[in-house]
Amino acid sequence: EIVMTQFPATLFVSPGERAALSCRASQSITSNLAWYQQKPGQAPRLLIYGASTRAADIPARFSGSGSGTEFTLSISSLQSEDFAVYYCQQYNDWPRTFGQGTKVGIK
Amino acid sequence: EVQLVQSGAEVKKPGESLKISCKGSGYRFSNYWIAWVRQMPGKGLEWMGIIYPGDSHTRYSPPFQGQVTISADKSISTAYLQWSSLWASDTAIYYCATLGSGAAYIDYWGQGTLVTVSS
Repeated sequence: EIVMTQFPATLFVSPGERAALSCRASQSITSNLAWYQQKPGQAPRLLIYGASTRAADIPARFSGSGSGTEFTLSISSLQSEDFAVYYCQQYNDWPRTFGQGTKVGIK
Repeated sequence: EVQLVQSGAEVKKPGESLKISCKGSGYRFSNYWIAWVRQMPGKGLEWMGIIYPGDSHTRYSPPFQGQVTISADKSISTAYLQWSSLWASDTAIYYCATLGSGAAYIDYWGQGTLVTVSS
């Protein structure tokens, strides 16, 4: 099983600042990585797939980068609605696996 | 508009059986994989397994193999997740979701079904 590790576990950012979230795979997953956002009491929402392709209706302030084993989700200027938990997920191999999540909190 | 509507919250006792549902609309239900994802209280997301409604082909993640059964009835565009005997540790929110690009990433999510198992 491919283990996905996200860091940091919690990130405190001021509104308007940039955030960078990391995700590492235990073996190469090429670009087969997705990012999701989950707000309290809601289902997750797809942000990014293919490591860097934004899903439909996702604002341009969200961007993904990386390949192989190291990936980053960047949020260029945090808005109030961006404070949430973010998960990465690999789809290079079965079973599909998620990272444990990074919580982005208000500084 | 793609929609996945899940059945309502359940409260069960340990040892009881349960089947929850997920009805898809707004797309060709038979042609897209459906995934089930578990989220235990205050915890992260866990991939349980997937089903292709067109032929009911299923794949389970190892921790869930033999613990749950995933099925689908394409005639009514509905997928199911069932347990024959619940444990307190099955208490969680269960999400169904459609998979984009084959059985890859999740592009649409249901609203979740809260299952509470308590004596």
